[in-house]
Amino acid sequence: AQKITQTQPGMFVQEKEAVTLDCTYDTSDQSYGLFWYKQPSSGEMIFLIYQGSYDEQNATEGRYSLNFQKARKSANLVISASQLGDSAMYFCAMRGDSNYQLIWGAGTKLIIKP
Amino acid sequence: NAGVTQTPKFQVLKTGQSMTLQCAQDMNHEYMSWYRQDPGMGLRLIHYSVGAGITDQGEVPNGYNVSRSTTEDFPLRLLSAAPSQTSVYFCASSYPPEFNSPLHFGNGTRLTVT
Repeated sequence: AQKITQTQPGMFVQEKEAVTLDCTYDTSDQSYGLFWYKQPSSGEMIFLIYQGSYDEQNATEGRYSLNFQKARKSANLVISASQLGDSAMYFCAMRGDSNYQLIWGAGTKLIIKP
Repeated sequence: NAGVTQTPKFQVLKTGQSMTLQCAQDMNHEYMSWYRQDPGMGLRLIHYSVGAGITDQGEVPNGYNVSRSTTEDFPLRLLSAAPSQTSVYFCASSYPPEFNSPLHFGNGTRLTVT
């Protein structure tokens, strides 16, 4: 069965510091994608970054990067130089080639302190 | 460019009432889905569709119906509302329904059943 685990229910980080949000996954699919979404207090779901299972390099999008370790089945999100606006819930999700449904973690609530 | 549009944004129902949550996308996406989000939990899939005329059940389909008569629209019907259906509902779409395709979300509908 497919599963996403986010072990950090909440995190406090000082502004301008880098932060790593953990995500581990389990799947038997050969091809799969890993996604991170941000949900601010306003409620919308914002797509941040994608990593494919066959991608050689870690994905980067601006201040966001994905530390992908396939052998360890981890796909951690790294936010560099955190800003107050980064305070939000962050969800890790996976989509496999067996049924294409997006499987979600429970999320991590990130609070950036000024 | 509207993306995924959900209406209404807020709704209060009494137990036993029925209603339809509307979802429309203008991106010609084949795949559309409905999720519910409850406090402290990730998103759970209710129903999904991989194209007009094709729908299937997700993880938590009981009490909900869907139809997909056009590519653009994917309404979610609550047949007889129950307090357990109090939640935030998200419609999401992607093109194509493959493992490397991120979902695009509407802004959500906050439903309260009293």
